[in-house]
This record gives sequence, structure tokens and C-alpha cells, in this order.
Amino acid sequence: EAQVTQNPRYLITVTGKKLTVTCSQNMNHEYMSWYRQDPGLGLRQIYYSMNVEVTDKGDVPEGYKVSRKEKRNFPLILESPSPNQTSLYFCASSLWAPTGTEAFFGQGTRLTVV
Amino acid sequence: AQSVSQHNHHVILSEAASLELGCNYSYGGTVNLFWYVQYPGQHLQLLLKYFSGDPLVKGIKGFEAEFIKSKFSFNLRKPSVQWSDTAEYFCAVLSTSGTYKYIFGTGTRLKVLA
Repeated sequence: EAQVTQNPRYLITVTGKKLTVTCSQNMNHEYMSWYRQDPGLGLRQIYYSMNVEVTDKGDVPEGYKVSRKEKRNFPLILESPSPNQTSLYFCASSLWAPTGTEAFFGQGTRLTVV
Repeated sequence: AQSVSQHNHHVILSEAASLELGCNYSYGGTVNLFWYVQYPGQHLQLLLKYFSGDPLVKGIKGFEAEFIKSKFSFNLRKPSVQWSDTAEYFCAVLSTSGTYKYIFGTGTRLKVLA
């Protein structure tokens, strides 16, 4: 089954404790990205990756890091989480094409930083 | 700047009522438009998409959308809503000029009363 898998689904952590949210897709998609969803703000892109070893900042990259060592995986790293990073996070993947295909989304990770 | 506007933030309807959710985009390149639905506690799922051809697009669950180029609009419609349509709906455009990214509107929360 084609899917994007995120882990964990729920996470409560304390300020400053490094954490990683994993994302994996099995569709051989080149393009992967991370979004955060906050009430009234919709989805905002954090980082994206066009392919292995190619990553770039989205609209709200501060406080986040990513890596793309393998095509299927795109982890999101919070080196020193702060309460303003409490949010719902989604990983997405898609083919990369001029007339594009839709993005496929993971189940989401609800992060609370206290 | 490229953007997507959804003017209805909250919509409440009774079952069997007709639905129309507005979406306007600001993007000058090749148009790739999407509507996603997010049921409570779930991830985003594709309802329908438009790349080219017939501007009236039919999606899943009886939804359709009309692309009107002159109005930069891509409104979502359903003739008769059901209680199970209660969800949040996001309009999105894929930007392929410059940065390749999906740009989302802020979403419309639909509540259907049984």
C-alpha cells in the first residue's frame, strides 16, 4: 500500500530536549516536505527536499533541521524545542514534475513542548 | 507573492444543503490546483485536482470544483452534504516556477448538522 509513515503520532517533550520525527515513503517520490499546521494559519512549509542530499528552507524553517540521506526517509529534527513549536506536523511526498501530481500526506505528529 | 485565499473560515450547514467553498489563488505560472479534506484527527486526503482540460473537475464523495481562469478561482461544490462531510477543507496550488512547493489556504471548517 502506498503510504507516508510518520512516527511518533503523539509526543510531549520538555523545552530544550532534542527530538526527531521520522518520515518514510514507499512510493519512490523525489519530493518530500514538512509542514506545520496551526489553527487559523493552515499549513506552512518548514523544509523541503527535491531529492537525496538536496534540501532547502520553506516558509518557517527557524528551529528545525532536516536531512535526506536516502530517498525514502526525511526526518525532521528539533535540536532545542521551544513551546512555540507546539503544533501538528505533517510530512508529505510527491513526484517532482512540471505538471505535478498531488502530495501524499502522513498521519501527522502532534507535538507538545512544555 | 504566490498565495491561496479561502474566504470562508467556518461554515455550518444542515444535511442535504448545498455547499460551495471559495478558493482564490494568486499565481502566474502553469496552474495545478487541489482540494484536500482533513477529517477530525486524520491526515489530509485528496478530494480532487485540476491540471488542464475540462475546467469542471469531479472528485470523490460527490464533490466537484470549477476552475475559472478569469477569476483565479477554484471553488468546491457539493449539491447535498452529509453529516460525514464534517471536516476541514484546504485549497492548494502547486507552484512550479522558482521554488517547487504546494501552497495551502488557511482552510475552511465545515460542520454539517444532522
